[in-house]
Amino acid sequence: AQSVSQHNHHVILSEAASLELGCNYSYGGTVNLFWYVQYPGQHLQLLLKYFSGDPLVKGIKGFEAEFIKSKFSFNLRKPSVQWSDTAEYFCAVTDALGGGADGLTFGKGTHLIIQP
Amino acid sequence: GAGVSQTPSNKVTEKGKYVELRCDPISGHTALYWYRQSLGQGPEFLIYFQGTGAADDSGLPNDRFFAVRPEGSVSTLKIQRTERGDSAVYLCASSPLTGGGNEAFFGQGTRLTVV
Repeated sequence: AQSVSQHNHHVILSEAASLELGCNYSYGGTVNLFWYVQYPGQHLQLLLKYFSGDPLVKGIKGFEAEFIKSKFSFNLRKPSVQWSDTAEYFCAVTDALGGGADGLTFGKGTHLIIQP
Repeated sequence: GAGVSQTPSNKVTEKGKYVELRCDPISGHTALYWYRQSLGQGPEFLIYFQGTGAADDSGLPNDRFFAVRPEGSVSTLKIQRTERGDSAVYLCASSPLTGGGNEAFFGQGTRLTVV
């Protein structure tokens, strides 16, 4: 079974600061990795995903994440955050060969607050 | 186009009662998932449908929980003899293709409160 650990439950930054949210997973097989975002009052939305190939993945709104297989990590980054990035961020993993059967395993989430 | 629709958005029920939560996935999506999200936690997998059949129900916590998808589209999550610990946001997601790597599109969720 997979597990996901997100290191920071609450992060507060000022606008224009750089962001890095940590995510580590535990699974011995081939994985697909995701970051989802939930803005206040909205549903979960996909930010970016890694399936294979280039381990540096670019997503929407200037976010990127790097898959480091040796560290079982998939950290989310953004060079300059905006007030509108205030949201809950979830890292998730699934077995790439599982055919979707086990769904996504999510971390507990990181609540990001950007102060204007 | 329309996204994943869940009804009701909020449900308050008394302990011991039966509840049904509905999910209307994106048209044409063959894969459908139910998740449960408790306060301060990430979504937790409950069950996965591929078409009409439950391909994996290993996440259902006990036999009070059951889900159906009789025509391969709309799904209903059913909870019998509700308990206060069942209070959570129940999320539904759909995906266009089977396979672990496909994006899941989530609904707004149903917030269930058992009093």
